[in-house]
Amino acid sequence: DAKTTQPPSMDCAEGRAANLPCNHSTISGNEYVYWYRQIHSQGPQYIIHGLKNNETNEMASLIITEDRKSSTLILPHATLRDTAVYYCIVRVVSNQFYFGTGTSLTVIP
Amino acid sequence: SQTIHQWPATLVQPVGSPLSLECTVEGTSNPNLYWYRQAAGRGLQLLFYSVGIGQISSEVPQNLSASRPQDRQFILSSKKLLLSDSGFYLCAWTEPGRINEKLFFGSGTQLSVL
Repeated sequence: DAKTTQPPSMDCAEGRAANLPCNHSTISGNEYVYWYRQIHSQGPQYIIHGLKNNETNEMASLIITEDRKSSTLILPHATLRDTAVYYCIVRVVSNQFYFGTGTSLTVIP
Repeated sequence: SQTIHQWPATLVQPVGSPLSLECTVEGTSNPNLYWYRQAAGRGLQLLFYSVGIGQISSEVPQNLSASRPQDRQFILSSKKLLLSDSGFYLCAWTEPGRINEKLFFGSGTQLSVL
């Protein structure tokens, strides 16, 4: 059911930018892309979302390609507390949010 | 402000026993409500979602059912638990009416069926 594909795992050095890719090639014109992260045994935490323009907030930046078939979540200065599973989600117009298996990001000291 | 409450935090149940997990949302009206399940080491699977009282949509055939007896209450149930029902269950909600609202999660219930 998930409309997104992500690499299963990534490493990033502490203090460097973490760039997490996501493919959503079947996305429809009015479907938003959301990013969440989950630390073990907790509920997922909202990070950012967007439709077609790049977005930035206090946590991250979201870069969506012009054809909207892929996006990248950027954590500008990764810290050890950013170690988590990151989910890229497409919200379909019928209000469902379908999660894939996500990317396990490990920030290395 | 809006809050979501989910309980219990952990639950150990024998195979064949019934299940009832409850979720309530405060500070909003007519929210969209969701139940997700996460098996160990896996992603989140959407089980049920509801856009109003008594309106339940099921995503996958399974041993579980959901009910929404009140506007801000969502209940996940089973008459007889299976070993495969073990997992981390999460309730979530969004504001209704717009397609760019955020999904907010409860703290989850870790269910172990033995």
